Order: sequence, then C-alpha cells, then structure tokens
Amino acid sequence: DAKTTQPNSMESNEEEPVHLPCNHSTISGTDYIHWYRQLPSQGPEYVIHGLTSNVNNRMASLAIAEDRKSSTLILHRATLRDAAVYYCILHLWGTYKYIFGTGTRLKVLA
Amino acid sequence: DAMVIQNPRYQVTQFGKPVTLSCSQTLNHNVMYWYQQKSSQAPKLLFHYYDKDFNNEADTPDNFQSRRPNTSFCFLDIRSPGLGDAAMYLCATSRDGHPNTEAFFGQGTRLTVV
Repeated sequence: DAKTTQPNSMESNEEEPVHLPCNHSTISGTDYIHWYRQLPSQGPEYVIHGLTSNVNNRMASLAIAEDRKSSTLILHRATLRDAAVYYCILHLWGTYKYIFGTGTRLKVLA
Repeated sequence: DAMVIQNPRYQVTQFGKPVTLSCSQTLNHNVMYWYQQKSSQAPKLLFHYYDKDFNNEADTPDNFQSRRPNTSFCFLDIRSPGLGDAAMYLCATSRDGHPNTEAFFGQGTRLTVV
C-alpha cells in the first residue's frame, strides 16, 4: 500500500498560518490525496482532498507539488480549536480504502 | 445531526467474552468501514463492505468478524476479546468508495477489556 510520511508534531501560534507537510513519494497518477483531522476522543473529520491542482475550501487549502510526491495542508489562521492530529491519506484508485499515515499532532499556542 | 452513529460510546467487556459493537448511518452510503485505533496510533483498517460484499484486510485477526444486515447498519463482532484488543473502534462510510469522495466517521466506541 502507498505510504505517507508526516512530522510527528508541530506547533503554531494562534491566528498565524500553519503549513503541514506530507510526503507520498510512491503515489501513482490516479491516487487522491486526502486530509482528515482528529480532535481528542472524536472520530476523524474530513478536511480536504485533491488530485493534481491546488484546492481550497472553507476549512483549509491543499497545495500539491507538481510531481505529486508531496503536499501541504494550509490552515490560514490557526485557532485553538484547530489543535488536533492531522492525517494525510492516499486513497488508492481501484480500491475503496482510506489508509492513514502516522499523522501530525498540531499544538496551537495562545 | 450525527450521520454515522456508533453505540455504545464506551464498552467494557471481560477477557474472552464475545462483544458486539454497532454502527448505523443515515447517509445511504454503499461503503462501510471498520477501523481499529490503539492509543497514540493511526486508525488501522480492519475490513469494509461495498453493499453486501465483504472485504477483509489480510492482517485482520480471525477473532474479528462483521455483519451488515442492511444498508444502514453494520456490526463488529469480537469473538474472544483479549487485552490487546482494547482500542477505539471507528466506523466510517463513503458514498461509493471512489477516491474523489470523502469518508464520514462516527465518534467511535472505546473498548476496554478487563
């Protein structure tokens, strides 16, 4: 299965932008990149996903490298409620599977 | 309103005593998933259903079984829970499992084995 690699933890100050990186060097051309986050004692929550182009929604932006071997989740203004574990996931074409990477624990400082 | 509902939120079972966790969805999605998440680890896929078709992950222990009697409900049965099966169990759904669609997760059931 394709793998993703993320830093174990990151810190950000409140109301500053946060860039969460993910490496997925084994990605194939039809695999989608998904991001989910998990708040303490809750199930994962969808954040954003994309294939090749950069994507924006009300929660975040997703920047995908031209070679697709890495991506960055951008939170434009971190709040205390954004403190969570952020998972970068490859959804493999031809399967129904969402396979989680190890995740980045984001700490937001007031 | 919750769209993927897991009951109970917390379950305590005895070592070796069969236990069933339940999941229901109001989304009418075709695909349902069960994940196991141990402390400080990422969720690990156990199996999934596409409609009635069951797909087991190769490394899912035989101790774990699942049933999906209809579109809305899915159950996780642990036949003889061991201490190592203590974890959060997450149910998720996807409209059709296509990579361009998102998954919806329930709040999870935290299983304790005593």
